[in-house]
Amino acid sequence: EVQLVESGGGLVKPGGSLRLPCVASGFNFSSFSMSWVRQAPGKGLEWVSSISSRSDYMYVAESLKGRFTISRDNAKDSLFLQMNSLRAEDTAVYYCVACGTTGCYTGYFEYWGQGTLVTVSS
Amino acid sequence: DIQMTQSSSSLSASVGDRVIITCRASQSISSFLNWYQQKPGKAPKLLIYAASNLQTGVPSRFSGSGSGTDFTLTISSLQPEDFATYSCQQSYTAPYTFGQGTKLEIK
Repeated sequence: EVQLVESGGGLVKPGGSLRLPCVASGFNFSSFSMSWVRQAPGKGLEWVSSISSRSDYMYVAESLKGRFTISRDNAKDSLFLQMNSLRAEDTAVYYCVACGTTGCYTGYFEYWGQGTLVTVSS
Repeated sequence: DIQMTQSSSSLSASVGDRVIITCRASQSISSFLNWYQQKPGKAPKLLIYAASNLQTGVPSRFSGSGSGTDFTLTISSLQPEDFATYSCQQSYTAPYTFGQGTKLEIK
């Protein structure tokens, strides 16, 4: 069974940092491109960032560049999202997502974690 | 960025109804369009990929069609478990944008 388990969410003050890990199991993690997708309370889904299977390619939403960084450790079946200079508008549930076998680009978001809530507030 | 617009933010229907949800892209995205279902407090679930391909395990009452800029998700006979929010998403180019979602409610 495919499992993606996020952690690291919580309450952080504006300007603070947070690192979200996601541990994968049940599939060959090192062969899949991965993404982070977020959802602010009561709002729609927003793509955050994607990384290719071997970390050759990384994409981050333009509005988040310079603050958010995606990375992965294939030896540990883990995906990460480093979030710096956090703002109130970054408050959301952050989902770890495995893209389909063709990748995220021209592909689809196939497997989703349960999400971790990040709240940015003083 | 490619804008994805779902024509309705909410829709009311009854069990057994045929429901069509539409999604329009601000430019051509070929068939790189996916549909997701999300229930309250849960993660989204992939239903349809590449416009018309049914994800494994998804009931055959769900179907998708379209190409270019106009797409539809059809539920042939609505079941109680289908009341949820449906979102389209383009994977033609980053940023991989989503529609705002269509909440399907019980009439």
